[in-house]
Amino acid sequence: NAGVMQNPRHLVRRRGQEARLRCSPMKGHSHVYWYRQLPEEGLKFMVYLQKENIIDESGMPKERFSAEFPKEGPSILRIQQVVRGDSAAYFCASSSGASDEAFFGQGTRLTVV
Amino acid sequence: GIQVEQSPPDLILQEGANSTLRCNFSDSVNNLQWFHQNPWGQLINLFYIPSGTKQNGRLSATTVATERYSLLYISSSQTTDSGVYFCAVHPWGSNYQLIWGAGTKLIIKP
Repeated sequence: NAGVMQNPRHLVRRRGQEARLRCSPMKGHSHVYWYRQLPEEGLKFMVYLQKENIIDESGMPKERFSAEFPKEGPSILRIQQVVRGDSAAYFCASSSGASDEAFFGQGTRLTVV
Repeated sequence: GIQVEQSPPDLILQEGANSTLRCNFSDSVNNLQWFHQNPWGQLINLFYIPSGTKQNGRLSATTVATERYSLLYISSSQTTDSGVYFCAVHPWGSNYQLIWGAGTKLIIKP
């Protein structure tokens, strides 16, 4: 049973470009979460999705950031017109229920140059 | 919102030593998880422990929800235990969003 799969592991973008981060949840999990981690800090919640629905995006910046979890395919976190401050590790997690144990992917380390 | 505090922030031990890491939270929680982030950045689930005590090999954890704290015990430390240990909670009433502590950075010296 494969775990949560994220790709790419590392992503380098120039300022102003777009970053697309992908996440495939564990088999049987329909709840997906995105978190951001800055160096030397814990993770911060960004968005919670179920299939085709955004349940809570209160932790996600209103501009430039968007997330989706389509009926088919992985969840996507999209950052438009990236800036240096977007450099961070972005983790995806999935669970079988809202308050059930969450399992995390290996993260995508975004570097904006 | 709920505050999650972990102590100590840093811990340096010799291989073979035992350690206790603490997680305090300021309000009621539905659930609590402990994670190990290894030096490569990977997050590994250790325990899902809203209350009570669990053991897994050299690691064990205890959560006393009524007193709002959890403890992670590591016995006979190995160098591979190095990394950052995070506690994360589901606040009561917001049961999907994990609120994270700042972590305890553990270094095990050979």
